[in-house]
Amino acid sequence: EVQLVESGGGLVQPGGSLRLSCAASGFTFSNYWMHWVRQVPGKGLVWVSHISSDGSITSYADSVKGRFTISRDNAKNTLHLQMNSLRAEDTAIYYCARDVSGSYIPWGHGTLVTVSS
Amino acid sequence: EIVLTQSPATLSLSPGERATLSCRASQSVSSYLAWYQQKPGQAPRLLIYDASNRATGIPARFSGSGSGTDFTLTISSLEPEDFAVYYCQQRGNWPRTFGQGTKVEIK
Repeated sequence: EVQLVESGGGLVQPGGSLRLSCAASGFTFSNYWMHWVRQVPGKGLVWVSHISSDGSITSYADSVKGRFTISRDNAKNTLHLQMNSLRAEDTAIYYCARDVSGSYIPWGHGTLVTVSS
Repeated sequence: EIVLTQSPATLSLSPGERATLSCRASQSVSSYLAWYQQKPGQAPRLLIYDASNRATGIPARFSGSGSGTDFTLTISSLEPEDFAVYYCQQRGNWPRTFGQGTKVEIK
C-alpha cells in the first residue's frame, strides 16, 4: 500500500523553527517529485514547496521563500521541510503528497503546526 | 499565478440528487485540472485528473469535463458519503494552485 506519514508538527513560538518529516512506503520514493501543501483548519489548500525526484530542483511559495527548506533522503524514503522564522500565519496542517503527472496522490494524514506565544 | 474560482461556495442537495460543481481558471490550463474530495478530519483524495479521468477506485458517478478555463465536476446521484468539500487544482502553470472549495451539504 502506498503510504505517506508526516511527523514533527507541534506548538512553536513566533520566530522559532520546526522540522517536518514525511515517511514514504509502498512505492519507489526516488522516482517521484514530492510536495508540501498546507491548510489552515477550516480553510483551503495552499501549495508550499516541491522537490524533484533526485532533489536537484526545489521551489517555494513566495510566502515561505527564504524561511523554509525542502529536502529529501532517497536512501531513507523520507521527505523533510525545515521551517525557520515561523510566523503566526504559518499555523496550518501540513500535508506531504506524491506528484503523479501533476496530481497529488496520495496525501499523508497531515501534521499540525501551531505558531503562538 | 493562475486563480481558480469555484462555484457555488455551498451546494445544498439531498441524497440521490445530481451535483454540478464549477471551477473557472483565470487563464487557460488546457486540460490540466484535477478534482479532490476532502471529508472532515481527513486528507484530500484525488477524484479526477486531467479534467476527465477518474482516479483508481473512484466510482463512476463522479465525472469531470471541460478544458481551457471552464471545468465541471458532476456527481450523478449523491450517496451519503459524498457530502464533503471539493477542490479543483491546476497543473498547467507554476505554482500549482487550488480553488477555494465547494462544500456539498445535506439539504
